[in-house]
Amino acid sequence: TQLLEQSPQFLSIQEGENLTVYCNSSSVFSSLQWYRQEPGEGPVLLVTVVTGGEVKKLKRLTFQFGDARKDSSLHITAAQPGDTGLYLCAGNTNAGKSTFGDGTTLTVKP
Amino acid sequence: GAGVSQSPRYKVAKRGQDVALRCDPISGHVSLFWYQQALGQGPEFLTYFQNEAQLDKSGLPSDRFFAERPEGSVSTLKIQRTQQEDSAVYLCASRGPRGANVLTFGAGSRLTVL
Repeated sequence: TQLLEQSPQFLSIQEGENLTVYCNSSSVFSSLQWYRQEPGEGPVLLVTVVTGGEVKKLKRLTFQFGDARKDSSLHITAAQPGDTGLYLCAGNTNAGKSTFGDGTTLTVKP
Repeated sequence: GAGVSQSPRYKVAKRGQDVALRCDPISGHVSLFWYQQALGQGPEFLTYFQNEAQLDKSGLPSDRFFAERPEGSVSTLKIQRTQQEDSAVYLCASRGPRGANVLTFGAGSRLTVL
């Protein structure tokens, strides 16, 4: 069974602070994705990382895929209340199946 | 449609009742997935269709769970003799062209079993 562990489980910060959340696994994935989910909605894809060591930036969000393609991090600079949500990582196999972690619930207070 | 549509959005069932949850994927999307998301957890894979073929049902928790996609478009997840532990949000996702592993999720159907 491929398991993805996300940390921290909960994170509450003030607007303007920086933060990093982590996604770790003992398994190698062909690609890894980060989603954000708001209450009452389905997850929405933020980014896909494919190559070990890859870094992708999406405005204030920076995503990194570990060299061994087993772990990833998401860094948010100058967090805003609109960043509040559940951040999920998902590992993908060559068979196309996605395995999700339990997520990090981020609250950004104004 | 423009997105993945799920219905009903909310369903309350008495223990022992049967329920049916519907998913309308994005038009033309060949792949369709069902996930179960319990409160405070991430989505857990239930089953996967490619067109009308159910290629993987390894995540279905018991034989009370059944999914179909008879014409390769709309899919229905049926849960027979519901139990309290079935209470969760059931998410449907469809995937576009091969090589683009991008899941588009619906808003989910929240099932509460009393």
